[in-house]
Amino acid sequence: LAKTTQPISMDSYEGQEVNITCSHNNIATNDYITWYQQFPSQGPRFIIQGYKTKVTNEVASLFIPADRKSSTLSLPRVSLSDTAVYYCLVGGSSSGAGSYQLTFGKGTKLSVIP
Amino acid sequence: EAQVTQNPRYLITVTGKKLTVTCSQNMNHEYMSWYRQDPGLGLRQIYYSMNVEVTDKGDVPEGYKVSRKEKRNFPLILESPSPNQTSLYFCASSPRTEIGGYTFGSGTRLTVV
Repeated sequence: LAKTTQPISMDSYEGQEVNITCSHNNIATNDYITWYQQFPSQGPRFIIQGYKTKVTNEVASLFIPADRKSSTLSLPRVSLSDTAVYYCLVGGSSSGAGSYQLTFGKGTKLSVIP
Repeated sequence: EAQVTQNPRYLITVTGKKLTVTCSQNMNHEYMSWYRQDPGLGLRQIYYSMNVEVTDKGDVPEGYKVSRKEKRNFPLILESPSPNQTSLYFCASSPRTEIGGYTFGSGTRLTVV
């Protein structure tokens, strides 16, 4: 079961790029890496998912090195509304060979400062 | 609208009184899962289901039961709730091809007194 480790908290000023790194040393070959955003008292919201190299969508980029033992979520030009807890999740596989017991870490609380 | 619906949103109950939290999704997802969230502990998986009639334990299954008789529904059952099950509960689903790419429900805040 892949365990994830993230910084507990981060602060950033508005307009800056924020990079949050997640460590997952025992990731399995078929595991995917997924990132979520959660606001207080709401369900987590899917941000981005990847397997290796780089993935980009309209809200974020995900960087995964060749050894896949870590991943970095990059949020460009954050605003106050990006203040939230961010979780990385490791597991699952479209081929059916990955782990389906999906464990979240404790998340990173991002505070965006005006 | 594609969504995961949980009911109730809030529930206060007494120790030992059986309860069921319902979860339904309208996206034809194969994979469904229940999580509980407690301060300082993040999201912990209770049970998950790969498809109809297929369920398995997550990290914290003690005191909970689930069933998956239909693809769209995945109820969470607490046969004899205890105060340590006071928590915020989330149901989530994903398609088999994107397991981990969850859509979450809005949550059920349960208080057991």
